[in-house]
Amino acid sequence: NAGVTQTPKFQVLKTGQSMTLQCAQDMNHNSMYWYRQDPGMGLRLIYYSASEGTTDKGEVPNGYNVSRLNKREFSLRLESAAPSQTSVYFCASRVGGSAYGYTFGSGTRLTVV
Amino acid sequence: TQLLEQSPQFLSIQEGENLTVYCNSSSVFSSLQWYRQEPGEGPVLLVTVVTGGEVKKLKRLTFQFGDARKDSSLHITAAQTGDTGLYLCAGAQLGQAGTALIFGKGTTLSVSS
Repeated sequence: NAGVTQTPKFQVLKTGQSMTLQCAQDMNHNSMYWYRQDPGMGLRLIYYSASEGTTDKGEVPNGYNVSRLNKREFSLRLESAAPSQTSVYFCASRVGGSAYGYTFGSGTRLTVV
Repeated sequence: TQLLEQSPQFLSIQEGENLTVYCNSSSVFSSLQWYRQEPGEGPVLLVTVVTGGEVKKLKRLTFQFGDARKDSSLHITAAQTGDTGLYLCAGAQLGQAGTALIFGKGTTLSVSS
C-alpha cells in the first residue's frame, strides 16, 4: 500500500544509547517531516526537509540529527538518548506547498530508561 | 507560545448530539487543516481550507475558516461512536510557503452510545 512507512514501531533504549528511526515514502512527495507527540503538548516539529538535499530545524531539534538520504527516505538519529526523548515520533510527507495535506506514518513509540 | 489554541481540550457526549471544536490564533494563516487521529495511528487529513470565510462539508462534518484567516471551527452534526478520536487543527503561516505546519494541542472527543 502507498504511504509512509516508519520503522521500528516500538523501541526501548537505555540512557546514552543511540539509534536511528527510519522513514520512507513511496508517493514521490517532495517534503518530509519529523514530529514528536507528547501528552498535553501536541505535535511538535523536530526537523524537516522541504526538498531532497535540504534540511531545516524545527521547534525542538536539540538532541536529534536528520538525513535526507534520497527523495524517498528521511531518517532521524538520536546520538545519546535521554529520558526526555521518550515520546511517539511521527514522520510525514507532503507533495507540495501549504495547501496540501500531510500523509503520516503510524509512528514509533520510543521509551528511554 | 502556542500559536494555535484548540478548545475544548476534552469533549464527552452522547450519540446523536451536535458539537463544535474551535481553533484560534492571533496569527494569520495561508491555509488551515483538520486531522483526525485514532489511538496507535498517525493523524489522517480531513480537510484543507484556504480562503477566508470558506466553508467545507464532509458528510456530517462542517469546517469553516474565519474571514481573517486566524481561526477555524469544526462542527459535527449527530455525532456517532465512530467519530471518537483526537481532532487536530494545523496551520501554515502566511508568507512562509513550503515550511512546516504548526499544530494545535488537539481536542479529544469521546462519543458514547
